[in-house]
Amino acid sequence: GAGVSQSPRYKVAKRGQDVALRCDPISGHVSLFWYQQALGQGPEFLTYFQNEAQLDKSGLPSDRFFAERPEGSVSTLKIQRTQQEDSAVYLCASSLEIRDRAKNEQFFGPGTRLTVL
Amino acid sequence: QKEVEQNSGPLSVPEGAIASLNCTYSDRGSQSFFWYRQYSGKSPELIMFIYSNGDKEDGRFTAQLNKASQYVSLLIRDSQPSDSATYLCAVRRDDKIIFGKGTRLHILP
Repeated sequence: GAGVSQSPRYKVAKRGQDVALRCDPISGHVSLFWYQQALGQGPEFLTYFQNEAQLDKSGLPSDRFFAERPEGSVSTLKIQRTQQEDSAVYLCASSLEIRDRAKNEQFFGPGTRLTVL
Repeated sequence: QKEVEQNSGPLSVPEGAIASLNCTYSDRGSQSFFWYRQYSGKSPELIMFIYSNGDKEDGRFTAQLNKASQYVSLLIRDSQPSDSATYLCAVRRDDKIIFGKGTRLHILP
């Protein structure tokens, strides 16, 4: 079956521009995560959804970052007024159910590489 | 102190030898522990997870967990050039999975 897909794969934005990054999780996966990965670093947690509910957004770096998953499937990460420090790879991951040890394997999408000029 | 600590490497290991990767974590409430492999320019892929003290083996890979010492390790036996990648240690605390910075492993042919 299809894995996690993300679009666009690459995005170049001018500083101050708004961007929207899309994630299509594996069908039936309840849990969805967004991570930010800077070069040479591990993925940094941004936010987490259980179905349509955003249960944790403690990792969002500022109020310019906003995520939604209105129907419990596709999710969008929006960054307003982009800054150079926002340049990174944004990874989306989904799992059947993060709270169940037997079902908490995360499957990652290919990521969106955002470059802010 | 970062919640998940790994030596960034690079760790160079001759082909056929055992590669040993280590990770420590700070939160005793951490519940599950994961090892991911990430090739350059690619997304992480899960190799193993472990949640009970002791060893867990899967093919050439063995994960070891010591909750008292807050220590997780990954052993790769009979290392192959294709094992050259960055290995990310991650821990689950509640609904959050926290990653370390990763260790770069280089298998020398």
